[in-house]
Amino acid sequence: SQKIEQNSEALNIQEGKTATLTCNYTNYSPAYLQWYRQDPGRGPVFLLLIRENEKEKRKERLKVTFDTTLKQSLFHITASQPADSATYLCALSPANQAGTALIFGKGTTLSVSS
Amino acid sequence: GAVVSQHPSWVICKSGTSVKIECRSLDFQATTMFWYRQFPKQSLMLMATSNEGSKATYEQGVEKDKFLINHASLTLSTLTVTSAHPEDSSFYICSAPILLAGRVGQSDTQYFGPGTRLTVL
Repeated sequence: SQKIEQNSEALNIQEGKTATLTCNYTNYSPAYLQWYRQDPGRGPVFLLLIRENEKEKRKERLKVTFDTTLKQSLFHITASQPADSATYLCALSPANQAGTALIFGKGTTLSVSS
Repeated sequence: GAVVSQHPSWVICKSGTSVKIECRSLDFQATTMFWYRQFPKQSLMLMATSNEGSKATYEQGVEKDKFLINHASLTLSTLTVTSAHPEDSSFYICSAPILLAGRVGQSDTQYFGPGTRLTVL
C-alpha cells in the first residue's frame, strides 16, 4: 500500500545545532515533494518544494534533499533557534498533477531548547 | 503572498446542530479548494475537493450528505457539518493550490487557512 512516513514523531535538539528530519515514501513516484511547518492550532505554512530532477534545495537556513532511489527526502534546519520549534510535515501529490490534493505525513515535532 | 482565511476560527455547538465553515481566498482566485480534517497528533486527512461551479469530490469514507460543500464563487468555499455529533469534533482546514511554473512540468504549493476548531458537545 502507499505510505508516506516521517520516522520521528518528536525531535529535541539544542539551539545552534542542525535538525535533520526524514520523510520516506513507498509505492509513490512523486514528481515533487513539499515541506510545511505547522504551529499548534494553526494551518500548515509552505516552506519548500523540491522536484525529482533536483537533488537539493535551499532557502535561508533550510535545506531539502530528494533521493528518488532511496524514496526519501531529508529536511535540515541549520543553526536552529527556539523559534523553529514546530511540527514539520512532508507532503506529496499522488496524482503528480498541479492543483490536486496533497498527502501528508504525520509530521515531526521539533523542539529547540536554548 | 497568497492568503486564505477561514471563519470561524473556533466553534462550539450542541449535538444535532449544523455548523458552517467558510474558506476564502483573499487575493487570488481558486477554482479548486481542499478540505482537510486533523485529529490531535494526527496528520491532515483529505475530506473532499471543492470545485467552483460543480459538485465536490469526496474521499472514500466521507459522507457527502453529512459534510456539505458549496463552492459558489472563485474565492469562497463553504463546508457545512450537518447534524454534528461529538465524533465530528476536530480541526478543519481548507487550502487552495497556487501553481508554480517549473522547467519540468508544473507543480503547485498550497496555501492553507488558519483552521477551524469544532467542538460538538
